[in-house]
Amino acid sequence: TAGITQAPTSQILAAGRSMTLRCTQDMRHNAMYWYRQDLGLGLRLIHYSNTAGTTGKGEVPDGYSVSRANTDDFPLTLASAVPSQTSVYFCASSETSGSSTDTQYFGPGTRLTVL
Amino acid sequence: GQNIDQPTEMTATEGAIVQINCTYQTSGFNGLFWYQQHAGEAPTFLSYNVLDGLEEKGRFSSFLSRSKGYSYLLLKELQMKDSASYLCAVRDGDYKLSFGAGTTVTVRA
Repeated sequence: TAGITQAPTSQILAAGRSMTLRCTQDMRHNAMYWYRQDLGLGLRLIHYSNTAGTTGKGEVPDGYSVSRANTDDFPLTLASAVPSQTSVYFCASSETSGSSTDTQYFGPGTRLTVL
Repeated sequence: GQNIDQPTEMTATEGAIVQINCTYQTSGFNGLFWYQQHAGEAPTFLSYNVLDGLEEKGRFSSFLSRSKGYSYLLLKELQMKDSASYLCAVRDGDYKLSFGAGTTVTVRA
């Protein structure tokens, strides 16, 4: 079982360019999430989606947008990249978002460098 | 906002025991999770506590005290492969996960 896949694995991007990070899950999970991980700060939630067709803002949403057209895919777009968006990006999914026992499972990550 | 604190680094010897503490202050509480993350890899789920007490899973155990806003992850019979970062995460009243910065555990031979 593939679980969650992310693409690309890594990317170097010029400041001002746009970029879409892809995330696909095959577990039929309702909820999906995007986090960024920076040294010393831990994982921070960027955007989330409780179910297909809905999205919400997390702790650090500025400069990012998401869409959830179907259950499996949850792309993250940087419209105009800035160096402070250099980070490792993790996509995660869980069966449902409104249960205390719900567990999030993470994809392998995308390492993004904005120069 | 949420406040989750855990030590930055810990070092222990192979075969020993290490306890990683996590204290938290969050808006509501709906469970506490521990994840393991090896360098360059994704976090993987280790344990979950929602009620006070100890949950044991083989060599790993996790404890929770909701009244004290405190948890610990206990790693017994340490192996070299246990060298990794351990992330404490709390599910708040809106069912969102907030993560601590992680504790890097180094196991020495």
